[in-house]
Amino acid sequence: EAQVTQNPRYLITVTGKKLTVTCSQNMNHEYMSWYRQDPGLGLRQIYYSMNVEVTDKGDVPEGYKVSRKEKRNFPLILESPSPNQTSLYFCASSPQSSNQPQHFGDGTRLSIL
Amino acid sequence: QQPVQSPQAVILREGEDAVINCSSSKALYSVHWYRQKHGEAPVFLMILLKGGEQKGHEKISASFNEKKQQSSLYLTASQLSYSGTYFCGTPTGGNTPLVFGKGTRLSVIA
Repeated sequence: EAQVTQNPRYLITVTGKKLTVTCSQNMNHEYMSWYRQDPGLGLRQIYYSMNVEVTDKGDVPEGYKVSRKEKRNFPLILESPSPNQTSLYFCASSPQSSNQPQHFGDGTRLSIL
Repeated sequence: QQPVQSPQAVILREGEDAVINCSSSKALYSVHWYRQKHGEAPVFLMILLKGGEQKGHEKISASFNEKKQQSSLYLTASQLSYSGTYFCGTPTGGNTPLVFGKGTRLSVIA
């Protein structure tokens, strides 16, 4: 089954404790993106990747890192999480062209205390 | 850079129609529409690639006016299952990932 898998689905942690949210897709898609969703602000792009070893900042990249060492994986790293990063996070992937549908993972709800 | 959606929220009775608009101050290369149910991931509805294009998905259709830099989503004879938040998304360049609007919350009541 074609899917985008995020882990964990839920995480409560404390300020400053490094964490990684994993994202994996099995559709051989070139594009992958990370979004955060906050009430009233919609989906805001954090980082995106157009291919292996190619990443770029989105609209809200501060406090996040990403890597794309393999085509299928695109982890999101919070080196020193802070409470303002409490949010719902979505990973998405799409084929080579942006004129094709994006497939979203089920989301990761992060709470940083 | 975010496209602007209107209205922010709308409440409908079953069977009523609604229109959701998406506009941008920049050129629109294409427009994507997604629906998100509460607590779930956004789900793809349709893409419009060319000015003047119209598409349909069940009783949901959309149009794309490239000159006016806007797209509209039309929901006719709404059903309870149409409730959710609708997002439009556009690439910022010719072939870049999407930037989404803030969403329109649609509630259909019996």
